[in-house]
Amino acid sequence: NAGVTQTPKFQVLKTGQSMTLQCAQDMNHEYMSWYRQDPGMGLRLIHYSVGAGITDQGEVPNGYNVSRSTTEDFPLRLLSAAPSQTSVYFCASSRPGTNYGYTFGSGTRLTVV
Amino acid sequence: AQKITQTQPGMFVQEKEAVTLDCTYDTSDPSYGLFWYKQPSSGEMIFLIYQGSYDQQNATEGRYSLNFQKARKSANLVISASQLGDSAMYFCAMREGWGYGGSQGNLIFGKGTKLSVKP
Repeated sequence: NAGVTQTPKFQVLKTGQSMTLQCAQDMNHEYMSWYRQDPGMGLRLIHYSVGAGITDQGEVPNGYNVSRSTTEDFPLRLLSAAPSQTSVYFCASSRPGTNYGYTFGSGTRLTVV
Repeated sequence: AQKITQTQPGMFVQEKEAVTLDCTYDTSDPSYGLFWYKQPSSGEMIFLIYQGSYDQQNATEGRYSLNFQKARKSANLVISASQLGDSAMYFCAMREGWGYGGSQGNLIFGKGTKLSVKP
């Protein structure tokens, strides 16, 4: 099925470890974004990309890194995991235009101990 | 300043009754889109309904309708004839601008409303 694929679905990290959350979409969407969801906070934008080779920071970028070498892939890297990064992470993609909603991946539940 | 405000952290509704979930937004951009998403306990984000800033009529999708009051910057979701399966988190979101380049085009979310449907 076409859509946004996120891996892994669950992950436990130790403080200080690094890891990459994978995100891929097969809809040829220009826009891709990473959000984190914490209780009572809604979804907050971490980083986003408007096309291959172009990335920018969102509302809560500290501790995360992204790259966009292809239209399809938009990995999120945690450089040195901290307990404050325990959250549910969503990748999403869209076409440009205010009339297009975003398609979301199924999410990654990350726990940092 | 918050761009999307959902003032109801939690709500209860009796099965088969209608319920309105509130959403107000803040933007100076004349072109924007408003979206509602549903997040059941399984965690996925499900798109429900869209309203464009230039749309003259309120959007409807089955049992969902969007009460769009542009002057008040309000975009409330109305669910008619609630079902047990409607129990979920509901998020209001906005996308500003023409969505090409820069921070415009990102989807900005409210904090959500947890709806519980009672049998």
